Amino acid sequence: SQTIHQWPATLVQPVGSPLSLECTVEGTSNPNLYWYRQAAGRGLQLLFYSVGIGQISSEVPQNLSASRPQDRQFILSSKKLLLSDSGFYLCAWTLGSGRQAFFGQGTRLTVV
Amino acid sequence: SQQGEEDPQALSIQEGENATMNCSYKTSINNLQWYRQNSGRGLVHLILIRSNEREKHSGRLRVTLDTSKKSSSLLITASRAADTASYFCATDIIQGAQKLVFGQGTRLTINP
Repeated sequence: SQTIHQWPATLVQPVGSPLSLECTVEGTSNPNLYWYRQAAGRGLQLLFYSVGIGQISSEVPQNLSASRPQDRQFILSSKKLLLSDSGFYLCAWTLGSGRQAFFGQGTRLTVV
Repeated sequence: SQQGEEDPQALSIQEGENATMNCSYKTSINNLQWYRQNSGRGLVHLILIRSNEREKHSGRLRVTLDTSKKSSSLLITASRAADTASYFCATDIIQGAQKLVFGQGTRLTINP
């Protein structure tokens, strides 16, 4: 069966430090992969999505970047975190248009 | 900007009552999905309705779609305390690659 792993569950990082969040999918091939950020009590903001290895689309200009080095691995990074990068980060995958999305359990990032 | 807008932002009802949440969107879509999120967790898919469908049922859930008004509604009948969660609509927009864009969500509280 398909599963999605996202870690860590919580992270506290100082301003100016780097960030690397990893998401991996098992049990499927060539998924579409997504990174979302959710502010407290708010909706999901689409940050990046990828339809294949090395193919990254960015939705909003920001302090973050994403990479897809392998088919089922999606990484969210930052060279220097800002306070405004705090939030709940969610990774998701689908098998394409018109298919449901499966979400990881999320990473709560607090930048201090 | 967000594609979907849910209303109300928050809804509080008594157990056993029906809960109705609405979603409006801006651009043409392939399909519309509804998701549920328990506090601090990932989202779970509830139901998908395609652009050529008008109504769909799944257990106690009923979803309608009006593409002429660019709106959808989610009805939960005979609500239970366990239905307390945030509910989001998501649209799979036609233009561009396979983005899945979420609204701001409705926070539903079922009072026992």
